[in-house]
Amino acid sequence: DQQVKQNSPSLSVQEGRISILNCDYTNSMFDYFLWYKKYPAEGPTFLISISSIKDKNEDGRFTVFLNKSAKHLSLHIVPSQPGDSAVYFCAASVKTGANNLFFGTGTRLTVIP
Amino acid sequence: DARVTQTPRHKVTEMGQEVTMRCQPILGHNTVFWYRQTMMQGLELLAYFRNRAPLDDSGMPKDRFSAEMPDATLATLKIQPSEPRDSAVYFCASDSGINQPQHFGDGTRLSIL
Repeated sequence: DQQVKQNSPSLSVQEGRISILNCDYTNSMFDYFLWYKKYPAEGPTFLISISSIKDKNEDGRFTVFLNKSAKHLSLHIVPSQPGDSAVYFCAASVKTGANNLFFGTGTRLTVIP
Repeated sequence: DARVTQTPRHKVTEMGQEVTMRCQPILGHNTVFWYRQTMMQGLELLAYFRNRAPLDDSGMPKDRFSAEMPDATLATLKIQPSEPRDSAVYFCASDSGINQPQHFGDGTRLSIL
């Protein structure tokens, strides 16, 4: 049972435009959400996170939005750059003292020059 | 930048052989995670340790997999005997506490023939 879902396996965006990656979750106990970027043959790299007490967190070109009532989060990248081309995973955890992450299946972003 | 180090990066072996994967977490991180990535299941948690004590290994096939942390700088994941269905990329990650991002190594790509 996939508790974190990324329904778009791929996304293509023109350089300079906005990339919007979406993620839905089913477990209302999740209270910490993260986005990771992954290049081939490398491990996932932490990008940005958000706690459930917030609805937005921004870091440079990356902004994560959280809609708790809809159990939905999104990652906005603006402006998109060719180096952003990678697989993006969203992840979530429950504050049980464990911090183990539940991952989505990933969205492959291609930024076209 | 501090990184999680995993060895070996690649391992090819025959069915029935013992496989040992090693992980050096980031210095000062007290929680270590083992994940497996397959095409079918995505990233799934196998086991994790906090302060070297195993907290959860419910994601691991117990009859053939074992995870240990002999000291704070080394975590091991062992498969004995290995089977072709164990072929996957195995990632180690570490973090410094609750609601802190996990940082991943580059993985061990395991192929069991």
